[in-house]
Amino acid sequence: SQKIEQNSEALNIQEGKTATLTCNYTNYSPAYLQWYRQDPGRGPVFLLLIRENEKEKRKERLKVTFDTTLKQSLFHITASQPADSATYLCALALNTGNQFYFGTGTSLTVIP
Amino acid sequence: DSGVTQTPKHLITATGQRVTLRCSPRSGDLSVYWYQQSLDQGLQFLIQYYNGEERAKGNILERFSAQQFPDLHSELNLSSLELGDSALYFCASSEQGYQPQHFGDGTRLSIL
Repeated sequence: SQKIEQNSEALNIQEGKTATLTCNYTNYSPAYLQWYRQDPGRGPVFLLLIRENEKEKRKERLKVTFDTTLKQSLFHITASQPADSATYLCALALNTGNQFYFGTGTSLTVIP
Repeated sequence: DSGVTQTPKHLITATGQRVTLRCSPRSGDLSVYWYQQSLDQGLQFLIQYYNGEERAKGNILERFSAQQFPDLHSELNLSSLELGDSALYFCASSEQGYQPQHFGDGTRLSIL
């Protein structure tokens, strides 16, 4: 069956360190992958998109990698801040672009 | 502010009842997506519309239906409600299938 797995445990890191979140998938061939941030009681907010033919994308302190051989995406937040504390979701889209499959999310806490 | 408006924010009703959730997409967006988010299931894709036409169906129950109107707003109808339907229902919009999605803040549905 199709499955998307993110860090199974909540992630706690010290302020200023780099947070690395993983998204592993099986039985998908995604055309592209997106990362979202979700705060309690709010809808997800789009952060980054990476296509299947791209290895890496950056935006300010954020970096995402996409390895279609390993079926894995890594999401990095450098110089983390307490304001980065949230749940982060990865989402896969197939070629049609009409249907998205979300992971269950990783809860990140940045400790001052 | 994502530009996506969902009403109502909260809805409390009883088993067996029917409710309608409403979504106004971001200005210019033609695609509307509906998701259900519960604690144990994560964000589950229900259905997508593009410019009034249904484009993709996910894990949507037969008791649920949706439509997108000519002014592009969308409604999700849930009928014969069961306790297990209690969840957060999100609407998202995008320009077209491959673009980032913009989420509303959801409707919290509680079935008593």
